[in-house]
Amino acid sequence: DADVTQTPRNRITKTGKRIMLECSQTKGHDRMYWYRQDPGLGLRLIYYSFDVKDINKGEISDGYSVSRQAQAKFSLSLESAIPNQTALYFCATSDLQGVAGELFFGEGSRLTVL
Amino acid sequence: AQSVTQLGSHVSVSEGALVLLRCNYSSSVPPYLFWYVQYPNQGLQLLLKYTSAATLVKGINGFEAEFKKSETSFHLTKPSAHMRDAAEYFCAVSEGFQKLVFGTGTRLLVSP
Repeated sequence: DADVTQTPRNRITKTGKRIMLECSQTKGHDRMYWYRQDPGLGLRLIYYSFDVKDINKGEISDGYSVSRQAQAKFSLSLESAIPNQTALYFCATSDLQGVAGELFFGEGSRLTVL
Repeated sequence: AQSVTQLGSHVSVSEGALVLLRCNYSSSVPPYLFWYVQYPNQGLQLLLKYTSAATLVKGINGFEAEFKKSETSFHLTKPSAHMRDAAEYFCAVSEGFQKLVFGTGTRLLVSP
């Protein structure tokens, strides 16, 4: 089983719908992140959390919200999806004590908003 | 703010040829620099990292990168490409607290 699991792996939805992407990890890491990947733009940080009580906005947080339900779970919500939120979304984790910058990624959730 | 620039969205090489993927960084403080690799339909995984120790960094699968402060570069190389190296490669710089800023990626194509 993967250490960082994302569900769903693929989702097609319509404009205006609420969508939740879920991430769970078995690595025991404190830090969790949500990134968005778009062709030609690389990965951009949406939100990150350094522990259960800590939530921080990344560079592109508008239109998104997150919830850190437990150390192992970090979900990303799109309250009212729009077509330009069509992208590949990645959850990642890192260890407070680990090598600076070593992130462990899930396999991604591909979201299409029609 | 720190940033990285990857030159070339696509690089094509023949199997056995040298691989060179370019990355230049911008940082006002000594940076931490990274290369990540993304194989098809997978998440990213760490290839190698520079954290102010040796300037020549060796990573997995025969890749290495050299930190050159004078050129603000951290180019990724591999002496001999293999078909399994076909993937997308991302350079990244740390802004501190393990918050990474990624480049736009370079897709490596390897032909027989």
